[in-house]
Amino acid sequence: DGGITQSPKYLFRKEGQNVTLSCEQNLNHDAMYWYRQDPGQGLRLIYYSQIVNDFQKGDIAEGYSVSREKKESFPLTVTSAQKNPTAFYLCASRVGGVDQPQHFGDGTRLSIL
Amino acid sequence: EDQVTQSPEALRLQEGESSSLNCSYTVSGLRGLFWYRQDPGKGPEFLFTLYSAGEEKEKERLKATLTKKESFLHITAPKPEDSATYLCALTGGFKTIFGAGTRLFVKA
Repeated sequence: DGGITQSPKYLFRKEGQNVTLSCEQNLNHDAMYWYRQDPGQGLRLIYYSQIVNDFQKGDIAEGYSVSREKKESFPLTVTSAQKNPTAFYLCASRVGGVDQPQHFGDGTRLSIL
Repeated sequence: EDQVTQSPEALRLQEGESSSLNCSYTVSGLRGLFWYRQDPGKGPEFLFTLYSAGEEKEKERLKATLTKKESFLHITAPKPEDSATYLCALTGGFKTIFGAGTRLFVKA
């Protein structure tokens, strides 16, 4: 079955540590997105990528980095510069134009040790 | 600036008690309005896309409608398994923005 796989499901970060969240899709979608979800707030866009080897900052990119070396993979690194990283992180992908819906993975919950 | 506001924040229903969730929006040029269902600890699951005022989409006990300022998600005779958070999102221009969601609890 086609879909979006995020791993790990739970992740713990120590002070000063960088951690990487994995997102893999086998839907052959060009566009991929990373969102952060906090209680009581809408999803906030961290980074997005329309094609391989290209990505743009979203609304809250500070303290995060991404790469897009393969169409199916869009990993997110939460760096030590992100001072409040505890959140639920969602990866999404989309086929076609922006008038089409995004499809989501099942998320990674990141907590601070 | 494009905005999405969902109400109520939480809704408690008895099984079989029909109701509606509201998504109010302001946008300069609607490209699409989307409804998602999100279960605890899971990613949002796509339900519907609406493109223009007057459009309606239906799936089982759910029906989504759209006006120029609002979208409603009507739930007819809900069951406990309909309990979830329902998210509204829209794309205006090239950016998609999400509402904070409505948490629905359906009691047997």
